[in-house]
Amino acid sequence: NAGVMQNPRHLVRRRGQEARLRCSPMKGHSHVYWYRQLPEEGLKFMVYLQKENIIDESGMPKERFSAEFPKEGPSILRIQQVVRGDSAAYFCASSPRSNNSPLHFGNGTRLTVT
Amino acid sequence: SQQGEEDPQALSIQEGENATMNCSYKTSINNLQWYRQNSGRGLVHLILIRSNEREKHSGRLRVTLDTSKKSSSLLITASRAADTASYFCATDAGANSKLTFGKGITLSVRP
Repeated sequence: NAGVMQNPRHLVRRRGQEARLRCSPMKGHSHVYWYRQLPEEGLKFMVYLQKENIIDESGMPKERFSAEFPKEGPSILRIQQVVRGDSAAYFCASSPRSNNSPLHFGNGTRLTVT
Repeated sequence: SQQGEEDPQALSIQEGENATMNCSYKTSINNLQWYRQNSGRGLVHLILIRSNEREKHSGRLRVTLDTSKKSSSLLITASRAADTASYFCATDAGANSKLTFGKGITLSVRP
């Protein structure tokens, strides 16, 4: 019974490159959330997706960031033309329904932009 | 801005003592949840309390919710060194809404 799987665990990119972060939710979970965490800070919401739909992207920067959760396959968070300020831990979480349900988190992808 | 604000920011106690952590929030909620995060890992759900509940227990954890004061507390009784972690409260405003986290409390339990 695998939990939420995120890969890679660590990702190093040079400024200007693209970063692709993957998240496979728990089996049976159709709701996926992406959060960003900076050192010594809490989690900042980025985007909430259901299969093939973006439900809430109010936390996503307007440019360079995009997310998808296709009918088949993992959810992808893509950051184009990365800058040093994008360095952070990115966490994915999933749940079986939209309310009154705890989130199950992956162990995150630590992105370092050099 | 963060919906949940925890206090204290950091707490250091001796093994066996109780740890109390507080959380305040600003807007109406459907439920409030507490999570734990060990260093370098993802968050782990501890307990969920609904807006119509006042108190909930789970093992050594006790959570209270006061919706009139928009506050919650998490009590860990008989703490252990393994309880050392960061603890976050998170508020859920309802269906299709995101879970909003506070900045967290760093708990250190000295053996």
